[in-house]
Amino acid sequence: DAGVIQSPRHEVTEMGQEVTLRCKPISGHDYLFWYRQTMMRGLELLIYFNNNVPIDDSGMPEDRFSAKMPNASFSTLKIQPSEPRDSAVYFCASSLGGGQFGYTFGSGTRLTVV
Amino acid sequence: LAKTTQPISMDSYEGQEVNITCSHNNIATNDYITWYQQFPSQGPRFIIQGYKTKVTNEVASLFIPADRKSSTLSLPRVSLSDTAVYYCLVGDRGIPTFGRGTSLIVHP
Repeated sequence: DAGVIQSPRHEVTEMGQEVTLRCKPISGHDYLFWYRQTMMRGLELLIYFNNNVPIDDSGMPEDRFSAKMPNASFSTLKIQPSEPRDSAVYFCASSLGGGQFGYTFGSGTRLTVV
Repeated sequence: LAKTTQPISMDSYEGQEVNITCSHNNIATNDYITWYQQFPSQGPRFIIQGYKTKVTNEVASLFIPADRKSSTLSLPRVSLSDTAVYYCLVGDRGIPTFGRGTSLIVHP
């Protein structure tokens, strides 16, 4: 298995533009998580899905952020409009059965909003 | 979700054994203890998981006392490539919540 695949690896955009981050979880995993990491706040859980259904989105910072999981092999995190304070590394992770076997993270997307 | 407390940073030298202790006083009966490692510019990587006593794999050992209020990750004979941030997570199925972790720096 190729692991959790995220794209793009790097994204530079101007303030006000829409940004879409993509994630392909490991085949067969039924949980998917989106995290954001910054120096100031560390790793923050934004939202997670179980069987493609959003379970908890309380970590999503505001309405500018939205996430979807249209099928078991694909998820997106969208920011519209983007702001400089959204600059961070965004990680996607997946797991089987809620995590008792560990979570597998992707390599992340480094987002810079100028 | 049980809160965890770890040292912010640790220093060691190549070839030494490193022990990182995590406190989790409010651990629940069904909670597992999981450790992750994160290198710069990479996502966290699962190292080891345990429920009680001792667990060992090819990378590390995890020691958990009988009261389970703490756990110790042991890295034998560290090398420069073990320089990373190490996170302790406690919980049952569901939300993995990361604290600030322990930044381990291994010196030549």
